Amino acid sequence: GAVVSQHPSWVICKSGTSVKIECRSLDFQATTMFWYRQFPKQSLMLMATSNEGSKATYEQGVEKDKFLINHASLTLSTLTVTSAHPEDSSFYICSGVWQDGNTIYFGEGSWLTVV
Amino acid sequence: QKEVEQNSGPLSVPEGAIASLNCTYSDRGSQSFFWYRQYSGKSPELIMSIYSNGDKEDGRFTAQLNKASQYVSLLIRDSQPSDSATYLCAVNNRPGNTGKLIFGQGTTLQVKP
Repeated sequence: GAVVSQHPSWVICKSGTSVKIECRSLDFQATTMFWYRQFPKQSLMLMATSNEGSKATYEQGVEKDKFLINHASLTLSTLTVTSAHPEDSSFYICSGVWQDGNTIYFGEGSWLTVV
Repeated sequence: QKEVEQNSGPLSVPEGAIASLNCTYSDRGSQSFFWYRQYSGKSPELIMSIYSNGDKEDGRFTAQLNKASQYVSLLIRDSQPSDSATYLCAVNNRPGNTGKLIFGQGTTLQVKP
């Protein structure tokens, strides 16, 4: 079964609205989770590192005020795309590090379409 | 130069053949290397991880790492049509920050019946 779960699997929203995507670690505590974005036919691009109880660390070029990350508990990280635009339409994927410290599990991904 | 490079393909092999997927990376300090398989519209799933030079075998899959050449490969023996997917090479080049992966662009594999 899934070790890391994302919700929703897909979402359609209107331009200008905000969308929240949840990433949950199941049966383990993930102090650190990662958020990736993948455009069609392209690879995964790391957006940010989500740290439980502290601010997220964003990769260069990723707008922290647009992509809000909250990691309020050891099993939940959320990504909120604020004032979404069509160019934000993408496949968003989170990952968490298993308690062995090495194995990385990905969530099922969330398709966002902004119309 | 990209940090992790793969040939985007498509790589086409007949069923039962060996598929060879290659990946090079630029950061000599990289510690951990992963191969993921991604079906269209789905999230990546881990196939193999490798941390030291040499070969690592798991069923039909063999990962090979050569840190001196900054090269990692994945061999798939007895390829099946169900192996048709995009294979992503990922590297962790930040010691102490497990999980922060840099991905290659992926190689599309087509296994023809």
